[in-house]
Amino acid sequence: DIVLTQSPGTLSLSPGERATLFCRASQSVGSNYLAWYQQKPGQAPRLLVHGASRRATGIPDRFSGSGSGTDFTLTISRLEPEDFAVYHCQQYAGSVTFGGGTKVEIK
Amino acid sequence: EVQLVQSGAEVKKPGESLKISCQGSGYSFSDYWIAWVRQMPGKGLEWMGIIYPGDSNTRYSPSFQGHVTISADKSVTTAYLQWSSLKASDTAMYYCARHRSKYSVNSDFDYWGQGTPVTASS
Repeated sequence: DIVLTQSPGTLSLSPGERATLFCRASQSVGSNYLAWYQQKPGQAPRLLVHGASRRATGIPDRFSGSGSGTDFTLTISRLEPEDFAVYHCQQYAGSVTFGGGTKVEIK
Repeated sequence: EVQLVQSGAEVKKPGESLKISCQGSGYSFSDYWIAWVRQMPGKGLEWMGIIYPGDSNTRYSPSFQGHVTISADKSVTTAYLQWSSLKASDTAMYYCARHRSKYSVNSDFDYWGQGTPVTASS
């Protein structure tokens, strides 16, 4: 199975700041098979980005994804209060695996 | 509106059987793979397996193969996850989710159920 490693584990930032989250795969997942999800406490995950860089329907443009091969990034350009949550990356190049998550918390 | 509605919370004893459900609506249920995802308390997401309701083609993660059974009944647009003998370590939140790409076995998940919490404790 492809192992996904997310970093950092926790990101402490203030509203208005830029957040950069990383997801590294143990082997290439190509350019199309990487997604990002946001999960708030007590809620199901919500799809933010698929195909590494394509925003899902209804997702604000402050969220952007990039990368290919083994290294991927999710950037939140300016954090809004509702963006403080846990973010998961997922690969679906073969069998599906998820990263361990990055918690974005209020500093 | 696409919706996945899961059955309610379950409290069982280890060794008991359990079947939870995920009913889809607002789309052609037969045409999209449905995945099951586990989230243990305070932990990340784990992919358990998928089913294509159109023909009940099923695939499992090696980590869950043999311990759970995934099924679907397209006549009632419902997918199921079942255990024949629960373990305490099965205590978790279980989500169903729809593949975003129609027909595709390789996909991200665009719609999620609300989750079914399962507690297995003596």
